[in-house]
Amino acid sequence: GAGVSQSPSNKVTEKGKDVELRCDPISGHTALYWYRQSLGQGLEFLIYFQGNSAPDKSGLPSDRFSAERTGGSVSTLTIQRTQQEDSAVYLCASSLSAGMITDTQYFGPGTRLTVL
Amino acid sequence: KQEVTQIPAALSVPEGENLVLNCSFTDSAIYNLQWFRQDPGKGLTSLLLIQSSQREQTSGRLNASLDKSSGRSTLYIAASQPGDSATYLCASHSNDYKLSFGAGTTVTVRA
Repeated sequence: GAGVSQSPSNKVTEKGKDVELRCDPISGHTALYWYRQSLGQGLEFLIYFQGNSAPDKSGLPSDRFSAERTGGSVSTLTIQRTQQEDSAVYLCASSLSAGMITDTQYFGPGTRLTVL
Repeated sequence: KQEVTQIPAALSVPEGENLVLNCSFTDSAIYNLQWFRQDPGKGLTSLLLIQSSQREQTSGRLNASLDKSSGRSTLYIAASQPGDSATYLCASHSNDYKLSFGAGTTVTVRA
């Protein structure tokens, strides 16, 4: 079946502009995660959605970052007033069950964000 | 906070040689450890998942071991092929659903 999809695959923006990144999880997966991969760094957890529960936003680096998940499916990560340090690959993942630590997370191809 | 380290950062070997990739973690209270493969422009592909109660997992030419007491995991790839060229990431699950990732080892297998 279809995997996790993300759009756009690449985004170049000017400093100070807002951007929206989209993630379509695997159908039927209740959990959705956003990670950020900066150059030379490991993946950094940003936010976690589980069904209709309040998301875990503990990884968001600043209040310029926000995310929502509509209808328990598609998610949008929004970065306001982008800064150059926001340049990174943003990865989305989904997993079948809620909070099942043993569940494999399936990753999308990522969105490469470049802030000029 | 869990810290995950991967050594070396990059590795180049001739085709046919066995690969040994190392991963260390600071908090031994993990639930499981996963190895992923990342190709340029693509997402992560899960290779092996080792539960905390297990010592190793095998899939084809891949074997991953886990030693919680020493905070180490090793990924072995036998008889490497040019198609194995990629970045390999290890990640641990501690007491929540978040994965803590290492920075990865970039492998080049020369034909």
